[in-house]
Amino acid sequence: DGGITQSPKYLFRKEGQNVTLSCEQNLNHDAMYWYRQDPGQGLRLIYYSQIVNDFQKGDIAEGYSVSREKKESFPLTVTSAQKNPTAFYLCASSDGGQAARGYTFGSGTRLTVV
Amino acid sequence: GDSVTQMEGPVTLSEEAFLTINCTYTATGYPSLFWYVQYPGEGLQLLLKATKADDKGSNKGFEATYRKETTSFHLEKGSVQVSDSAVYFCALMVGQGAQKLVFGQGTRLTINP
Repeated sequence: DGGITQSPKYLFRKEGQNVTLSCEQNLNHDAMYWYRQDPGQGLRLIYYSQIVNDFQKGDIAEGYSVSREKKESFPLTVTSAQKNPTAFYLCASSDGGQAARGYTFGSGTRLTVV
Repeated sequence: GDSVTQMEGPVTLSEEAFLTINCTYTATGYPSLFWYVQYPGEGLQLLLKATKADDKGSNKGFEATYRKETTSFHLEKGSVQVSDSAVYFCALMVGQGAQKLVFGQGTRLTINP
């Protein structure tokens, strides 16, 4: 079955470290997205990519970086510049020409700074 | 800018009760509207959607009607079950090109047996 795989499910980071969250999809979707979820605040867009080798900042991109070298993969790096990285991170994808069908989401990565 | 406002939670109901979760939106264009559901520890799943005014989306007993005159997309279910306990997100999508979803803050629903 097609879907989105996020790994790891839980991740612990020491202050000052960079960490990379993995997101892989086999849906042949053109567009991919990263959202951050905090309690009571809904989902906020970090970065998105509509095609390979191209990506744009979302609403809260500071302290994060991404790459899109392959259509299937859209890893997110949480850098040491991100002041409050503890959150639940969700990756999603959509068919570029049929975005109104909605997004498909992964099961998320919970990042905790220790 | 585009935004979504949901009724504040948490919402607690008894099994078989009638459910309404209010959602209103502000958008510069003509958005598509969505309801997503999130079960504990999981990602979001698309529950239903509507792409134009007066459309009704429905799935698993849930319904929502796209009301352009009141800019609303309220979620309803006639008889809730314990398994409906989750967080529900209303969202909109506008524009051509970069079609991004804008989410409300979510409403936590708990159904007691």
